[in-house]
Amino acid sequence: GIQVEQSPPDLILQEGANSTLRCNFSDSVNNLQWFHQNPWGQLINLFYIPSGTKQNGRLSATTVATERYSLLYISSSQTTDSGVYFCAAHMTTDSWGKLQFGAGTQVVVTP
Amino acid sequence: DSGVTQTPKHLITATGQRVTLRCSPRSGDLSVYWYQQSLDQGLQFLIQYYNGEERAKGNILERFSAQQFPDLHSELNLSSLELGDSALYFCASSVFLGQGNSGANVLTFGAGSRLTVL
Repeated sequence: GIQVEQSPPDLILQEGANSTLRCNFSDSVNNLQWFHQNPWGQLINLFYIPSGTKQNGRLSATTVATERYSLLYISSSQTTDSGVYFCAAHMTTDSWGKLQFGAGTQVVVTP
Repeated sequence: DSGVTQTPKHLITATGQRVTLRCSPRSGDLSVYWYQQSLDQGLQFLIQYYNGEERAKGNILERFSAQQFPDLHSELNLSSLELGDSALYFCASSVFLGQGNSGANVLTFGAGSRLTVL
């Protein structure tokens, strides 16, 4: 089955710093998504990015499907960026809703 | 507010009991997905419904069942509860982005129902 691996598992940032989170995935995918789970547990969809680059404010994401990885960039981090970042993907032959999630990257932004 | 409504937000119950979690998808979304998030298993797909019919199944236990009603809300029933069933249960609905095989359902999650089994 598909495997989704995220690195690093933990990240501590000082406010204002930039960071890059990585997601490696096996097999062919056509639905790479990034989510943020805030400290209250809410899961927010950040990006749907099967390939290419997208930006949303201080966050941007790049997926290189041919090399099976995706990167999430956080620039000028703020304490509200704290939480767990998940990438998720599924095989092209699977139900489009059956996402397999990575283990997540726990991000703590300190003031 | 994501538009996906889940109730209850918190639930504490005892082993052996049965509970029902409820989910209303975003207006216009026909699909409902259930996910379980536990400390040891992470986020796991349980089951998906589309317009009232089961579309896909994950590693959902036989003690668990779900259904989607004509008004598109869904219920997840958990019975004979065990300590290990304590988890955050998410419901999601989706919008299809893209076209045909190059498109995908992009999920929006509800706030979750936190179940504690004592």
